[in-house]
Amino acid sequence: DAGVIQSPRHEVTEMGQEVTLRCKPISGHDYLFWYRQTMMRGLELLIYFNNNVPIDDSGMPEDRFSAKMPNASFSTLKIQPSEPRDSAVYFCASSLAREGSPLHFGNGTRLTVT
Amino acid sequence: SQKIEQNSEALNIQEGKTATLTCNYTNYSPAYLQWYRQDPGRGPVFLLLIRENEKEKRKERLKVTFDTTLKQSLFHITASQPADSATYLCAPGYSSASKIIFGSGTRLSIRP
Repeated sequence: DAGVIQSPRHEVTEMGQEVTLRCKPISGHDYLFWYRQTMMRGLELLIYFNNNVPIDDSGMPEDRFSAKMPNASFSTLKIQPSEPRDSAVYFCASSLAREGSPLHFGNGTRLTVT
Repeated sequence: SQKIEQNSEALNIQEGKTATLTCNYTNYSPAYLQWYRQDPGRGPVFLLLIRENEKEKRKERLKVTFDTTLKQSLFHITASQPADSATYLCAPGYSSASKIIFGSGTRLSIRP
């Protein structure tokens, strides 16, 4: 398996623009997670899905953030409108439903909002 | 609220020595605890899991302990090598939930 695939790897955009980050989880995995990582706040959980259904979105910082999982092999995280403070590395991860199953992370999307 | 704390400072260790990283948690009763390694520009990679009924777990040069009374896990790398230099993250987990929250991580540097 190719692992979790995220695109793009880097995104540079201007404040106010819409940004869409994409993730393809590992086939057969039940859970999908979106995290954001910054030096100041570390790795923060934004939202996670179980079988394509959002379970907990309490980590989504504002209404400007939204996430979807239209099918088992694809998820998007959208920021509209983007702001400079959204600059961070965004990670997607997937796992099986078994207790203690490890998370498999993609290599992240580095977002810079100017 | 739930809190996970790891060594706040970076850790610098001489090659060949044992590196010990700490993970403390409060307002948690995790069923297990996971440790991950993260290299620059990459996502975290799973290393080890230890369950609440296990005192110690080993994998090659890695050893993890779990003390539910102290609410602490220790992560040891014996005979450390420069290739072990990375950031290490801990993540307590529950048996009935899948929400995985990570500590802030400890940056480990092994000097030759």
